[in-house]
Amino acid sequence: SAVISQKPSRDICQRGTSLTIQCQVDSQVTMMFWYRQQPGQSLTLIATANQGSEATYESGFVIDKFPISRPNLTFSTLTVSNMSPEDSSIYLCSGLAVNNEQFFGPGTRLTVL
Amino acid sequence: KNEVEQSPQNLTAQEGEFITINCSYSVGISALHWLQQHPGGGIVSLFMLSSGKKKHGRLIATINIQEKHSSLHITASHPRDSAVYICAVNFGNEKLTFGTGTRLTIIP
Repeated sequence: SAVISQKPSRDICQRGTSLTIQCQVDSQVTMMFWYRQQPGQSLTLIATANQGSEATYESGFVIDKFPISRPNLTFSTLTVSNMSPEDSSIYLCSGLAVNNEQFFGPGTRLTVL
Repeated sequence: KNEVEQSPQNLTAQEGEFITINCSYSVGISALHWLQQHPGGGIVSLFMLSSGKKKHGRLIATINIQEKHSSLHITASHPRDSAVYICAVNFGNEKLTFGTGTRLTIIP
C-alpha cells in the first residue's frame, strides 16, 4: 500500500494570504487528487493533478484560486490563494494505485482568520 | 444522478456491541470503498469492494450489486473504533463520490 504525507498538518492564516500544501507519495501512483472537506461536510473533489500539465478542475473550482502542480509521479502541491474565512477546511490529497485502490494523506487543517 | 446515501448519520453503542453501517447508491458502480476518518482529519482506506465480502480483523464489508447496497460491520466494538466511517463509490471512473459519513461513538 502507498503511504502519503502532507505538509503542513495544520496552519492558521490571515485573510488575503496564500498557503501551499505539499503532498508526497512513497510509491508511484497513476493519479493524484486534491479534496476539500468543509466543517461538517463530506469530501469534495477540487481537481485531478496531472503530471507535467495543468490540473483538471471540478465545477466550482478554478486554477487562479487553487493552482496545482505535479512535477513528477509522486509529488504534488495545492495552493489556496487570496484566502478568506470560507476557505477554512481540511485539504486532503489522495493517490490512485494501479489496482484502483485510493490512499489518502493525513490532511491539512486550515483556519483562515 | 449519481448519489451515495449512508445510514445512520450518528451511532452510539456500548463497547462489545456488533455495529452495522449501511450504504446505498443510485446506479451501477465499478468499486465501492469504506473509509475511516479520525478526529484529526486523516483518512484510512479500510476496504475496496466490487463484489462479495471482505474481512480484516474485526471489520467485515459486504456488497450486494443487484440491490446496490453495501454494509460495514464491526464485531466486538471498542472505543478506539470511534470515528467517522465514509462510504465512497466509483461510478465507472477514477473519481470518488462520497457519502455523508456515519459518526460512530463507542462507549466503554
